[in-house]
Amino acid sequence: GQNIDQPTEMTATEGAIVQINCTYQTSGFNGLFWYQQHAGEAPTFLSYNVLDGLEEKGRFSSFLSRSKGYSYLLLKELQMKDSASYLCAGVDSNYQLIWGAGTKLIIKP
Amino acid sequence: NAGVTQTPKFRVLKTGQSMTLLCAQDMNHEYMYWYRQDPGMGLRLIHYSVGEGTTAKGEVPDGYNVSRLKKQNFLLGLESAAPSQTSVYFCASSPPGQGGLSGANVLTFGAGSRLTVL
Repeated sequence: GQNIDQPTEMTATEGAIVQINCTYQTSGFNGLFWYQQHAGEAPTFLSYNVLDGLEEKGRFSSFLSRSKGYSYLLLKELQMKDSASYLCAGVDSNYQLIWGAGTKLIIKP
Repeated sequence: NAGVTQTPKFRVLKTGQSMTLLCAQDMNHEYMYWYRQDPGMGLRLIHYSVGEGTTAKGEVPDGYNVSRLKKQNFLLGLESAAPSQTSVYFCASSPPGQGGLSGANVLTFGAGSRLTVL
């Protein structure tokens, strides 16, 4: 079956760095998305990786290893507004999105 | 731009009642989707549409119907609500993608509709 695994919850300190991991098992692979979702709000796009390596966008970076079925989202210089859930979603061979349950990130002062 | 707008934001139903969730997008996107989000689970696709007048079943279509009479609107109906349909519902839209789905295209989501069925 197809599956996306990510930790349920993580806690980090304001100003620090946190890495949110995602492992995937999909039938074929056509890329991996990260979305951010603040409580009670819509998911919003953060990143899309289809090739191996690290892509950086300001304080956020996303990494993909296709051989290991693994991705991570790296958040630097954490701010209180980064408290949110982070959703990992893989694109399978049929171009369907397979969603993880999300990682709730709690930022403490 | 408003993006994707969903109404209502909150609704409480009794078992057996019917209702319709409305979704409107102003980005001229071809594709539209209805998802449900439940605690501890990933987003699950209910139904989707690749254009005006077309609809297709997603992962969890039972108990729901949809219609796309206009390109900008996508309606989700519950004919006879059940407690198992208590959830947060998200509408999303995207440009056309590969395989008849969003593929590698970014989804733009609405703010969600919280439905409780008693």
